Amino acid sequence: DAKTTQPPSMDCAEGRAANLPCNHSTISGNEYVYWYRQIHSQGPQYIIHGLKNNETNEMASLIITEDRKSSTLILPHATLRDTAVYYCIVRVAGSTSGTYKYIFGTGTRLKVLA
Amino acid sequence: GAGVSQTPSNKVTEKGKYVELRCDPISGHTALYWYRQSLGQGPEFLIYFQGTGAADDSGLPNDRFFAVRPEGSVSTLKIQRTERGDSAVYLCASSLRLAISTDTQYFGPGTRLTVL
Repeated sequence: DAKTTQPPSMDCAEGRAANLPCNHSTISGNEYVYWYRQIHSQGPQYIIHGLKNNETNEMASLIITEDRKSSTLILPHATLRDTAVYYCIVRVAGSTSGTYKYIFGTGTRLKVLA
Repeated sequence: GAGVSQTPSNKVTEKGKYVELRCDPISGHTALYWYRQSLGQGPEFLIYFQGTGAADDSGLPNDRFFAVRPEGSVSTLKIQRTERGDSAVYLCASSLRLAISTDTQYFGPGTRLTVL
């Protein structure tokens, strides 16, 4: 079962910040939040991940609420190439000790408009 | 450097046939994952290898699905007696597994399987 819920679609004007929300209200204390995006007919591409603290890299920023029940991915200056499906993922423990796996939801289809 | 590669990129088969899908992970990556993505859905975990062994195969839907990684590098996903419901994109990912806090999976382009 998916552990995340995201809006199915969003639009963003080119050059503006895109803020993509994600709810993960059942997340456990040691489960990380990952964000990937998938451009049509390609494999998912890693963007960023975090546990408790806000994170920033060259692609995006990740804001995690203090209670960890939700997060927001921020693309600071969206371009047309950022049009993709964005997945918020919780990394959970696998069936064997020491293993982990990603649980994907259905993602948000972001369309960046010229 | 080279990323994760998967072959073939497309596979069309008939119901009841046997298929093999291949994954070449990033060199040096000890962990390898298989996922299945149906149209309009997010990827669904199938199996995880650490080295040569399947550490977690809880996502395999039934015993028609099997995967191997005999030398700890290339992996093959095998599907017996294919059914039309097996049609999907099969994704492979690999990771270094150096540290739990930084572990990141890198995905290949996928194999699109169509069962007629």
